[in-house]
Amino acid sequence: AQSVTQLGSHVSVSEGALVLLRCNYSSSVPPYLFWYVQYPNQGLQLLLKYTTGATLVKGINGFEAEFKKSETSFHLTKPSAHMSAAAEYFCAVDYNNNDMRFGAGTRLTVKP
Amino acid sequence: DTGVSQNPRHKITKRGQNVTFRCDPISEHNRLYWYRQTLGQGPEFLTYFQNEAQLEKSRLLSDRFSAERPKGSFSTLEIQRTEQGDSAMYLCASSLRTGPNEQFFGPGTRLTVL
Repeated sequence: AQSVTQLGSHVSVSEGALVLLRCNYSSSVPPYLFWYVQYPNQGLQLLLKYTTGATLVKGINGFEAEFKKSETSFHLTKPSAHMSAAAEYFCAVDYNNNDMRFGAGTRLTVKP
Repeated sequence: DTGVSQNPRHKITKRGQNVTFRCDPISEHNRLYWYRQTLGQGPEFLTYFQNEAQLEKSRLLSDRFSAERPKGSFSTLEIQRTEQGDSAMYLCASSLRTGPNEQFFGPGTRLTVL
């Protein structure tokens, strides 16, 4: 079955520290991959996406993610956490251009 | 381009009542999606439209749920005879048919069934 797994429902980092949010997917063919962020009581906002080409993708707010086919992973990173990054992050996989599956989400807390 | 809008933002209703939500997508987007999100979970796909045609429905969409997009623009999601288990955030998203399915989300409608 096709699925998206986000390891760690809650990640806590100190301000200025590296942020690493993990996402693994199951698929027999390379899908399109997305990371979305959700702030309280708001909809989801696209951070970045991988479709084809370069496997290291840069997004908004200093985030980036690397598609690793051999590991079926698309982990999200940010070199230095800011307080404003505290939110819920969702990894999503589009398998055939109309079937978007979301992970359960990772809540990021940034400590001062 | 004002983005995807949803109304109302919050709805509180009593069990057994009917509710209707509206979604206005980005104007040039021909695909429109409905999702349900419960606390601590990612969005779960309910249904999607391409223009006015409803092309796919999830098994989560029981017969109490109905969605329409009559002119291929705005869409409505109706829940009949609401149950407490229907309490959730209902998200709408829109996208263009061509290219990767980058979906743009509205702010959601939070439904509370008492």
